[in-house]
Amino acid sequence: AQSVTQLDSQVPVFEEAPVELRCNYSSSVSVYLFWYVQYPNQGLQLLLKYLSGSTLVKGINGFEAEFNKSQTSFHLRKPSVHISDTAEYFCAVSLTTSGTYKYIFGTGTRLKVLA
Amino acid sequence: DVKVTQSSRYLVKRTGEKVFLECVQDMDHENMFWYRQDPGLGLRLIYFSYDVKMKEKGDIPEGYSVSREKKERFSLILESASTNQTSMYLCASSPLGTLYNEQFFGPGTRLTVL
Repeated sequence: AQSVTQLDSQVPVFEEAPVELRCNYSSSVSVYLFWYVQYPNQGLQLLLKYLSGSTLVKGINGFEAEFNKSQTSFHLRKPSVHISDTAEYFCAVSLTTSGTYKYIFGTGTRLKVLA
Repeated sequence: DVKVTQSSRYLVKRTGEKVFLECVQDMDHENMFWYRQDPGLGLRLIYFSYDVKMKEKGDIPEGYSVSREKKERFSLILESASTNQTSMYLCASSPLGTLYNEQFFGPGTRLTVL
């Protein structure tokens, strides 16, 4: 069965420090990969996505992610975080299996940036 | 600017009431989705629709139904609300070619069933 795992439910980090949010997926078919961010009391918005081509994908707000097919991972990184990056981050995959479209979200990682 | 709007940000209902959650998108998207979001469980798909009057069950459709009479509007209905349906409900839309397109989300409706 297909699944998305975000191992860290919460990640505290000091302002201006680097951060990595981990995402691993399990699938026997090809997938497309996404990262979304949810600020407090808001819906989700797209940070970045990987469809094909270069495995390093750059997104909005200085975030980037690297697709690693052998490790089935799509970790999100930022070299220097700001207080405003405090939010919940969701990894997602889309795929088709047995003719059915599926869009699967991870359980989320709550990033808390400390002053 | 693309927009998905939901009829209420906060809603409080009583057990057994019929509840309607409305979602409207202005992007002429074919696909629309309803999710519920619970702490530690992420987003779980309730129903989605790929065209007017078309619907497909998601992962947790029990206790819910949907209606899509117009392309821009997708309604989620709780026929008889129960306390275990207290949750954040998120609506989303996407254009055709769903596999590689992002979903656009509304701000969410936080529903409390007493």
